[in-house]
Amino acid sequence: AQTVTQSQPEMSVQEAETVTLSCTYDTSESDYYLFWYKQPPSRQMILVIRQEAYKQQNATENRFSVNFQKAAKSFSLKISDSQLGDAAMYFCAGGSNYKLTFGKGTLLTVNP
Amino acid sequence: NAGVTQTPKFQVLKTGQSMTLQCAQDMNHNSMYWYRQDPGMGLRLIYYSASEGTTDKGEVPNGYNVSRLNKREFSLRLESAAPSQTSVYFCASCGGPNEKLFFGSGTQLSVL
Repeated sequence: AQTVTQSQPEMSVQEAETVTLSCTYDTSESDYYLFWYKQPPSRQMILVIRQEAYKQQNATENRFSVNFQKAAKSFSLKISDSQLGDAAMYFCAGGSNYKLTFGKGTLLTVNP
Repeated sequence: NAGVTQTPKFQVLKTGQSMTLQCAQDMNHNSMYWYRQDPGMGLRLIYYSASEGTTDKGEVPNGYNVSRLNKREFSLRLESAAPSQTSVYFCASCGGPNEKLFFGSGTQLSVL
């Protein structure tokens, strides 16, 4: 069984500042993958970043990076230089093989 | 550049009616998925198809059936709709397990 917990229902950040979204997970699998997806008001789901659990190096994608703490089962997302277009619902997800479990999401507001 | 196409985008049903949600992808992906999204619940996996000719239950399969018609198409059927099935439904595809999911734009379904 796998669970993904996002403890922050809502977060806000000033434009150009940095924000960190939290995610913890629990899994009995030894090989698994973690993701952050973004859902703007358009409702389209967009991959932000992907982390392979067997890799110790934290994944980065431009202004987006993760802090992957495998022992603590923590997978937080850091957004640097926040932009108005970053405003969205962010979902943490984890799984192995074909089954991906999503957290309940964090709504990020970016203030100009 | 179509990616994953879902139809219809919106649908209103009466309790007990049946309907089929259609999904097609043009990326030659092996795996396809159906998720539902409810407020405050994140996305939950209904059914998935790891490859053409196979289908498996996800987290919330009750009340649904699926058909992997061919490699491109994966449909979701509600035989007797219930108000509890009011939700936004997303189809997704990916090249293989643990890869990036490509999502359709979703179907807003209301069951009255």
